[in-house]
Amino acid sequence: GEDVEQSLFLSVREGDSSVINCTYTDSSSTYLYWYKQEPGAGLQLLTYIFSNMDMKQDQRLTVLLNKKDKHLSLRIADTQTGDSAIYFCAERRDDMRFGAGTRLTVKP
Amino acid sequence: DAGVIQSPRHEVTEMGQEVTLRCKPISGHDYLFWYRQTMMRGLELLIYFNNNVPIDDSGMPEDRFSAKMPNASFSTLKIQPSEPRDSAVYFCASIKENEQFFGPGTRLTVL
Repeated sequence: GEDVEQSLFLSVREGDSSVINCTYTDSSSTYLYWYKQEPGAGLQLLTYIFSNMDMKQDQRLTVLLNKKDKHLSLRIADTQTGDSAIYFCAERRDDMRFGAGTRLTVKP
Repeated sequence: DAGVIQSPRHEVTEMGQEVTLRCKPISGHDYLFWYRQTMMRGLELLIYFNNNVPIDDSGMPEDRFSAKMPNASFSTLKIQPSEPRDSAVYFCASIKENEQFFGPGTRLTVL
């Protein structure tokens, strides 16, 4: 199976919070990442967290890491239609392993 | 900084032809990755380099695929001969310390 797992779809209303979840399998991963991909574009690095941290906040984005459960989440506050995209979770060992991506749809 | 640069942005070729994709990583970045993205298989890691040395090429699908990094500022991914199932978007990415940045990708169509 996948090393990094994500749900494939999430739909929210504009102004609500979005929470995208991810599980990974390698406890030795050093950094965990969130990327955003808009249609026809490359992957844009949103934020990342070191494995010894529990939380990182960056403007509307909050990353939570539960290392015991190997669970990572990305919360987007006040979700806007421009946030509609595919969001990828990734873990770094020496290489980088990506999940399949979560397609976020924001409805007006 | 211009970011990771890839060329060409689009490539259409016929089955059996040789295809060469090019990447210029961000200056000073010591890791370089090649990925392939398709609807069916998602984002696949093909190969990565550290300080111009290939570290892991286990993701390269077949011997038809080869990658080189002759210096710190240039890498190529070659497919010879190309097949329709190679059609995908190919991304190059580079890392320094903890941040990985992607290029815009090359959309390859093999007819």
